[in-house]
Amino acid sequence: DAGVTQSPTHLIKTRGQQVTLRCSPKSGHDTVSWYQQALGQGPQFIFQYYEEEERQRGNFPDRFSGHQFPNYSSELNVNALLLGDSALYLCASSLLTGVRLDYGYTFGSGTRLTVV
Amino acid sequence: KQEVTQIPAALSVPEGENLVLNCSFTDSAIYNLQWFRQDPGKGLTSLLLIQSSQREQTSGRLNASLDKSSGRSTLYIAASQPGDSATYLCAVYSNAGKSTFGDGTTLTVKP
Repeated sequence: DAGVTQSPTHLIKTRGQQVTLRCSPKSGHDTVSWYQQALGQGPQFIFQYYEEEERQRGNFPDRFSGHQFPNYSSELNVNALLLGDSALYLCASSLLTGVRLDYGYTFGSGTRLTVV
Repeated sequence: KQEVTQIPAALSVPEGENLVLNCSFTDSAIYNLQWFRQDPGKGLTSLLLIQSSQREQTSGRLNASLDKSSGRSTLYIAASQPGDSATYLCAVYSNAGKSTFGDGTTLTVKP
């Protein structure tokens, strides 16, 4: 049973560029959440996708956008990269049962983004 | 706004000790609380999930408790081993869509 897979594992981009990160959820999960984790800090919630729509959003600028596909996989796009966007980006999948999150999150190993 | 605090930020213990990690949150209206382990540069591994109607969960040497009214959870690790060295994070789910993480406790277990 495959868990959450993220690609690529590492990425180096230049300030001002755009980046796309990809996530395939765990089999049977229908909800994907994205997080940014700076060094020494806990993950910060970016947004969550369910039924191909953004369901919740954290305190991140519009430069951060996403998409969920019919097969539940998801992309995170970041435009106009800043040096401060350098972080580990984590994807987590879950099963949304009604309005309750009954099963918790399963995380991928993350994408390490470095902006130079 | 939900805030999650984990104390202590770092902990070093000799092998074999029992230890307790703490997690406190400001808004008691949570659905679930989940404890994770993170090794350096890696993703998060789920340890225990406590639903809002539960008071504790156990898995092997790990026991997590939840007291919603006081906004606290503890993770108890029995008979610690060097392989337990990692950062332990707690996350609270305040509604069906958002989660809030603490900054973690970095545990070092010395042989």
